[in-house]
Parts: sequence; structure tokens; C-alpha cells
Amino acid sequence: QSVLTQPASVSGSPGQSITISCTGTRSDVGFYNYISWYQQHPGKAPKLIIYDVGSRPSGVSNRFSGSKSGNTASLTISGLQAEDEADYYCSSFTGSTTWVFGGGTKLTVL
Amino acid sequence: QVQLQESGPGLVKPSETLSLTCSVSGGSVSSGNYFWSWIRQPPGKGLEYIGNFYYSGSTNYNPSLKSRVTISVDTSKNQFSLRLTSVTAADTAVYYCAGTGDDAEYWGQGALVTVSS
Repeated sequence: QSVLTQPASVSGSPGQSITISCTGTRSDVGFYNYISWYQQHPGKAPKLIIYDVGSRPSGVSNRFSGSKSGNTASLTISGLQAEDEADYYCSSFTGSTTWVFGGGTKLTVL
Repeated sequence: QVQLQESGPGLVKPSETLSLTCSVSGGSVSSGNYFWSWIRQPPGKGLEYIGNFYYSGSTNYNPSLKSRVTISVDTSKNQFSLRLTSVTAADTAVYYCAGTGDDAEYWGQGALVTVSS
């Protein structure tokens, strides 16, 4: 079961927008619309911020948005804030009725 | 609000079996509204999906762990469990349990399990 590919790190200044990519295959990201994104602060459990490609759970800021094109999903964070500094993980449903995660991206707010 | 709490030994010897339990409150493990999962994260590394089960009774495992993993449920205690056999140092990780609904997901705080003699 392959890990989805994410950039190791991204950075941006407060107020800017950044995008994190998540590349899979035709068997996972490219086939299913069950793509999720998680935010994880140090020492904390991951928090779901996007599900089903672009939907937000209740209480999650609308500064977070998700999309998908082909085998690549993307998370965009607009109006960067210091509190957004964290690790971000994508995940996708797979054909084996389980899920696979990306390797994670460390977001630094400059 | 659904809450989950992992429990179990924090230290397991190589070649032995790792066993963890996830206690669920505010929701039912037999609910058709959720599926229940185990995920792990080695220190300083990324997340790895271990497996899940659905209310229908089906269980699904990461193919790379399938030969060593069992997920079971105890509806009378509203708990589900993870069993990982023949552990090595590579199985040292924080183990999380999670419950996923249609538009929400809840995670436990995580339990660190170290494999060492």
C-alpha cells in the first residue's frame, strides 16, 4: 500500500495563501472522492479539517479549502495565521477498503 | 460529542503481542453512523493506517500489516481493540483510535507503545 506523495515542507507569511499537494494513483486519489486532510500540532492528535475532497467539518475555518484534479489533491490555506503552523496530512480511500496517508507536510508561518 | 480513549501496556517485548483497547463514550461502536479505525505514528514520522471495522461486522486491514493484525469489538463494553503480533522495534509508535462519521471524525489522544527488551 503506497504512501501518497506530499512536499516535505512549505512556508508562507501571515496573510498569504499556500497550497499543499497530495499525489496518488488512479487506484486511490484518482478514483475516489474520499480525500481527507488533517492538521497536527506537536504532541497532539490529528484533527480532520477537510473530508470528501472539499467539505469542512463543523467548526473548521473557511480559510481551509480542498480540491482534486486527476491523481492529485490539494489543500489551500488562505489568510495564513501563526496558529496554522503545523504538520498536514492527506489521506485517501483505497480499493482495499482501507485508507492510505500522505507522508506529511510541515507548514512554517514566517 | 464522541470521545475515545486508548489504553494498554506502554512497553512490549520484541516478538510478543501488542494489545490496545479503545473505549468509546458519547457514541456506540455498533452504530451504523460510524466506522472505527486504528492508526499509528512512529516517533517523528508520519501516519500509518492500520485497519478498521464497520457496524456490519466487516474488518479491513492495511495489506502490509494484515498477517499480524486483528481488530475486534466488544459491544457490551462499547470498546474495540487492536492486537498486533510478533512485534519488533519498527512497531514502536503512538497508536490512535478514531471514529469516522458522515461529516465528523473523532480521535483519541494516542497511546505510546515502545517495543524493547
